[in-house]
Amino acid sequence: DVKVTQSSRYLVKRTGEKVFLECVQDMDHENMFWYRQDPGLGLRLIYFSYDVKMKEKGDIPEGYSVSREKKERFSLILESASTNQTSMYLCASSPGTLNNQPQHFGDGTRLSIL
Amino acid sequence: GNSVTQMEGPVTLSEEAFLTINCTYTATGYPSLFWYVQYPGEGLQLLLKATKADDKGSNKGFEATYRKETTSFHLEKGSVQVSDSAVYFCALYTGANSKLTFGKGITLSVRP
Repeated sequence: DVKVTQSSRYLVKRTGEKVFLECVQDMDHENMFWYRQDPGLGLRLIYFSYDVKMKEKGDIPEGYSVSREKKERFSLILESASTNQTSMYLCASSPGTLNNQPQHFGDGTRLSIL
Repeated sequence: GNSVTQMEGPVTLSEEAFLTINCTYTATGYPSLFWYVQYPGEGLQLLLKATKADDKGSNKGFEATYRKETTSFHLEKGSVQVSDSAVYFCALYTGANSKLTFGKGITLSVRP
């Protein structure tokens, strides 16, 4: 089974801090994704990557950056955390660009910015 | 652009009731369609999928049929259980950069 592991289940940080969320997948998938999930808004795509060192902006990239130095690892960075970035963050991966291949999700990181 | 519209929630049912969760979509080309489920405290899991018109996806007693003429992919289950309580997301995929487009999700609560 595909395993997508997010480094923390719960995280509490302060406004202005630089925050790193880490995600690792063990199935050699080319594509990796970061979403945030908020009540009433569903899942919104922040950034995604379809290869090492490649990144593409999703629907809400403002205030975030990403890093993909190795194929299995995709990091989300909050450069200067703000309270409106309090949310559930979900990482996902999928193989190649084949149609109908589902994304596999981690269990999420619930981030609180105080 | 692509979009997915799910019925408004939350939905509360008694155990063994019949479930329908509506999902309609707008997409260019011929998308693949998915239902994902999120149990409390967990990430999303793929529940079922359909890749072309008239395909029926099924899993764990849930079914959904890809209806191109009505651009719909409604989720159904004949008899829900308390363990089906979760958030359900409808999603579509057109192959563009492997991105999924999600609906807003709907919370299902099943009471004993």
